[in-house]
Amino acid sequence: AQSVSQHNHHVILSEAASLELGCNYSYGGTVNLFWYVQYPGQHLQLLLKYFSGDPLVKGIKGFEAEFIKSKFSFNLRKPSVQWSDTAEYFCAVNPYNQGGKLIFGQGTELSVKP
Amino acid sequence: EPEVTQTPSHQVTQMGQEVILRCVPISNHLYFYWYRQILGQKVEFLVSFYNNEISEKSEIFDDQFSVERPDGSNFTLKIRSTKLEDSAMYFCASSDPQGRGEKLFFGSGTQLSVL
Repeated sequence: AQSVSQHNHHVILSEAASLELGCNYSYGGTVNLFWYVQYPGQHLQLLLKYFSGDPLVKGIKGFEAEFIKSKFSFNLRKPSVQWSDTAEYFCAVNPYNQGGKLIFGQGTELSVKP
Repeated sequence: EPEVTQTPSHQVTQMGQEVILRCVPISNHLYFYWYRQILGQKVEFLVSFYNNEISEKSEIFDDQFSVERPDGSNFTLKIRSTKLEDSAMYFCASSDPQGRGEKLFFGSGTQLSVL
């Protein structure tokens, strides 16, 4: 079955620390990959996405992610986090032949201490 | 930026009652979706809807659930007889005419509490 795994349930960092959130998926075919962010009390927002081409993609607010096909991974990174990055982060996979259906990971809660 | 709007933001109901969750997708979008997130669990796909019919549904989306686009703007999710385990945040989403995941816009959600 198709699934997405996020390695960390809750990450706590101090401001200016570097961030890496892991995401692995299981699906043998072509996929589109996404990271969504959900700030407290707000809706899911697209952070970045990968469809094809350069496996290193840059998103909003200084986030980037790297697609490593051989590892079925799409890890999210940010070199220096801010308190305002406190949110829940969701990795999601869209199997290429399944329209807009997204399969989500369980989410990682990021808490950034000022 | 255009938004998907959902009402109400919070719905409380008694077990066995019918509820209708409402969504107004982005106006030029043609693909519509419902997802839900039970507290502490993953966001789960429920159903996709295109051209006035369901295009895909998950195993969660059983006979108790139905979707409808009653007019040109609203997209509703009905749960006929709610159960305690239906308590969750329900997200509506819509996407552009290409229908792929890259232009999927989510609403802010309706928190359904079944007592």
